Amino acid sequence: QQQVKQSPQSLIVQKGGISIINCAYENTAFDYFPWYQQFPGKGPALLIAIRPDVSEKKEGRFTISFNKSAKQFSLHIMDSQPGDSATYFCAASNDYKLSFGAGTTVTVRA
Amino acid sequence: GAVVSQHPSRVICKSGTSVKIECRSLDFQATTMFWYRQFPKQSLMLMATSNEGSKATYEQGVEKDKFLINHASLTLSTLTVTSAHPEDSSFYICSARGQGVVGNQPQHFGDGTRLSIL
Repeated sequence: QQQVKQSPQSLIVQKGGISIINCAYENTAFDYFPWYQQFPGKGPALLIAIRPDVSEKKEGRFTISFNKSAKQFSLHIMDSQPGDSATYFCAASNDYKLSFGAGTTVTVRA
Repeated sequence: GAVVSQHPSRVICKSGTSVKIECRSLDFQATTMFWYRQFPKQSLMLMATSNEGSKATYEQGVEKDKFLINHASLTLSTLTVTSAHPEDSSFYICSARGQGVVGNQPQHFGDGTRLSIL
C-alpha cells in the first residue's frame, strides 16, 4: 500500500501563480522527506528535501512546509513558470528506502 | 555533482531476448544502488536494492531470477532482464546513494531506460 499519500493528482496554474502539493504519511519512523521533479522520459531529479526537525525549508522559488504533529508536508512553488511543468513526487525515507507518493502533474499556463 | 548515468536510454528487442541495463555513478562512490520500474503516469516502484559486493535484496513480488542485479563496484550496477516478454516493457530507472557520515543520504537518479519488448 502507498505509505505516502499525495494530492492533488494534477493541477493547472497560471504563470506567476503558486502551486501547492500536499503529502501525508503514517510511519513516524520516516526521517527524511525529499521532493523530486520528473520531466517526461527522464528520471526524477532531487528538488529539495527536509528533515523532521525543521518546519520549513526554502530554496529559490521552492519551499517545503513540514508539520510533524499532523504528519503532513507540502511543496509550494512560487512564481510558477512554464518550465516548471512536470510531475512532482514527494517521498519519505527511513534509513535508505524511499516511499514515493503517487505524483502530481503540474501544468503552468503562459 | 552527484551524476548518475544510465545506459542504454532506449531498447527495443524481440520477446525471449535478455537485456542488460547499466547504471553508473560518475562522480561519487555509490554504496547502495536501487532499481525502480515506472509504468506510464504512475509512481516509481522499487524493484530491488543492491549493495556493492553483496547480493541484491528484492522487493516482494519481484522475480529475482527474472531481474538479475549485479553491483560489482562502487560505481556500477547492472540489471539484466532475462528472457524478456512484452509484459516486461516499462521504464526502468536506477538510483544511487553515496556514502554518508550522518543520517540519510539522498538518492540520485539516472535518466531511465525505456524497454520495449515486441
